[in-house]
Amino acid sequence: EAGVAQSPRYKIIEKRQSVAFWCNPISGHATLYWYQQILGQGPKLLIQFQNNGVVDDSQLPKDRFSAERLKGVDSTLKIQPAKLEDSAVYLCASSFDRGQPQHFGDGTRLSIL
Amino acid sequence: GIQVEQSPPDLILQEGANSTLRCNFSDSVNNLQWFHQNPWGQLINLFYIPSGTKQNGRLSATTVATERYSLLYISSSQTTDSGVYFCAVRPAGNKLTFGGGTRVLVKP
Repeated sequence: EAGVAQSPRYKIIEKRQSVAFWCNPISGHATLYWYQQILGQGPKLLIQFQNNGVVDDSQLPKDRFSAERLKGVDSTLKIQPAKLEDSAVYLCASSFDRGQPQHFGDGTRLSIL
Repeated sequence: GIQVEQSPPDLILQEGANSTLRCNFSDSVNNLQWFHQNPWGQLINLFYIPSGTKQNGRLSATTVATERYSLLYISSSQTTDSGVYFCAVRPAGNKLTFGGGTRVLVKP
């Protein structure tokens, strides 16, 4: 079984620029999550999708972050404009359904200059 | 929201030693997972264990849901066990919340 795929693996941008990350979940998984992991901390949920609908985006900074999962399969997370404090690893995870074990991708390491 | 505390925060082991990591949580949960984040940043799912005991090779985990804690046991540690171990819990109808992690270094 193929795991959660994410790209790019690394990204370096200057502040105020925009950036997008892509995630393809495990086949058949209805629930998709985006997490932000700041160095030295545990991952923090940004947004959760159930198929193509948003279940929880309470911790997503909506003035600069957006995410979509239009066809209920792969997803993109965008930051526009980026701030220095957005430097982090962005992890995508998926689960068969809500409440089921989550499986994580390798993440995208974002550095803001 | 729910509080998740992991101890110890840091652990240095000699290869071959055994160790126990602890996760305390402040409310009842429907889901508890243990993850290993390796030095390359990959987050590997170790156990899905909302209650009871499970074993996988040299690793085992026990969750006592009524007392709101979980333990992860590492036996005969190897250098490849180095990294950060996270406990994550999900109360009913809520999101998965991670603890601060235990940083483990296994020396050869």
